[in-house]
Amino acid sequence: AQKVTQAQTEISVVEKEDVTLDCVYETRDTTYYLFWYKQPPSGELVFLIRRNSFDEQNEISGRYSWNFQKSTSSFNFTITASQVVDSAVYFCALSEVRRGGADGLTFGKGTHLIIQP
Amino acid sequence: SAVISQKPSRDICQRGTSLTIQCQVDSQVTMMFWYRQQPGQSLTLIATANQGSEATYESGFVIDKFPISRPNLTFSTLTVSNMSPEDSSIYLCSARTSGSFGTGELFFGEGSRLTVL
Repeated sequence: AQKVTQAQTEISVVEKEDVTLDCVYETRDTTYYLFWYKQPPSGELVFLIRRNSFDEQNEISGRYSWNFQKSTSSFNFTITASQVVDSAVYFCALSEVRRGGADGLTFGKGTHLIIQP
Repeated sequence: SAVISQKPSRDICQRGTSLTIQCQVDSQVTMMFWYRQQPGQSLTLIATANQGSEATYESGFVIDKFPISRPNLTFSTLTVSNMSPEDSSIYLCSARTSGSFGTGELFFGEGSRLTVL
């Protein structure tokens, strides 16, 4: 069975600090996808990134960067120069092929990020 | 991209009643999913809504409690039957656009917040 662990329940930093959100996953599949979603207080889920298991290159998108390391089964997310608007719950998720070929997501418990002004 | 609309956005229901949540996507999608997010918790996959056939349920979820329909490529419903206070959650519809496993984008609706008294 697959599993996603986000050990940090809540992180609080002051604006402009860098912050890293950890994600560790477990899966028996060799083909899988990893995701990060943001859930602001308004409740909608905002897609941030998808990474397949064969692509270990790190990715940077503006102030966001992701570090995927298969050797440690980790897919960590770093926000550089954090802003108050980054305050949200961040979910790491994993997809693998389920019955019938569908690929629903297994979510971690989420990390509540609080950026203080 | 795909825009997913859910109705109702929120509702307050009485114990023992049933409620049907509708999910409409603005474009044809290959897969549709239903998730539950209990208060302060992560998202849990309920089932994959299959067009023209019975939904595929995850462990812990059964068709009698959560009947699902998907009559076409853009629409699905989830019914929460014989509700109890433990069913108070946000129910989210998700859809994947064209592509084989993992290659299509995954989108989420804004969720339907149910409170059962």
